[in-house]
Amino acid sequence: EADIYQTPRYLVIGTGKKITLECSQTMGHDKMYWYQQDPGMELHLIHYSYGVNSTEKGDLSSESTVSRIRTEHFPLTLESARPSHTSQYLCASSEYGRGWTDTQYFGPGTRLTVL
Amino acid sequence: GQQVMQIPQYQHVQEGEDFTTYCNSSTTLSNIQWYKQRPGGHPVFLIQLVKSGEVKKQKRLTFQFGEAKKNSSLHITATQTTDVGTYFCAGTYNFNKFYFGSGTKLNVKP
Repeated sequence: EADIYQTPRYLVIGTGKKITLECSQTMGHDKMYWYQQDPGMELHLIHYSYGVNSTEKGDLSSESTVSRIRTEHFPLTLESARPSHTSQYLCASSEYGRGWTDTQYFGPGTRLTVL
Repeated sequence: GQQVMQIPQYQHVQEGEDFTTYCNSSTTLSNIQWYKQRPGGHPVFLIQLVKSGEVKKQKRLTFQFGEAKKNSSLHITATQTTDVGTYFCAGTYNFNKFYFGSGTKLNVKP
């Protein structure tokens, strides 16, 4: 089992609140990702990082921001939550440049509900 | 744009029947991975295919990568109730970020 953690697991907040979803991995992986997934639906990449001080936007437009100050930590922040942000947020990590296999290890996810 | 299409969206089978899900890309993929997500869980890596025409087996699961590296399939022989979940393919176009298919939700009736 992979060592990648997300907190909180569940979050219910009101509109307009600022929130930060935490993601940490202890595998020393360079690549980290944030996906948004509605129940039973496909995964949409919203942010990714190749390493410290590297962040890129994914294909799904998102009002969130990320930072990568430490290898093991990749938090996602919503400055002003809206009901349209209600979803599950999955964090993942993978090794970079270590041969052909680029397995993504997923965290347990954060289920966010914005009222 | 770059996109990975996956069919079918749902599949209901009787236990013991076979199951297949297909992924297709309009442009050549660098590699493709398969993941399984149990209900309420997170995606778990199953396998990666890189070479043209590659076939890999894991017990009752057979994975194929097309000759042109534009399509892939996952076949499960004699499904069991433990196979229930959503199966996703995810491909890259230059070993960069992954593009996930929409997933096939498998339900197995005992």
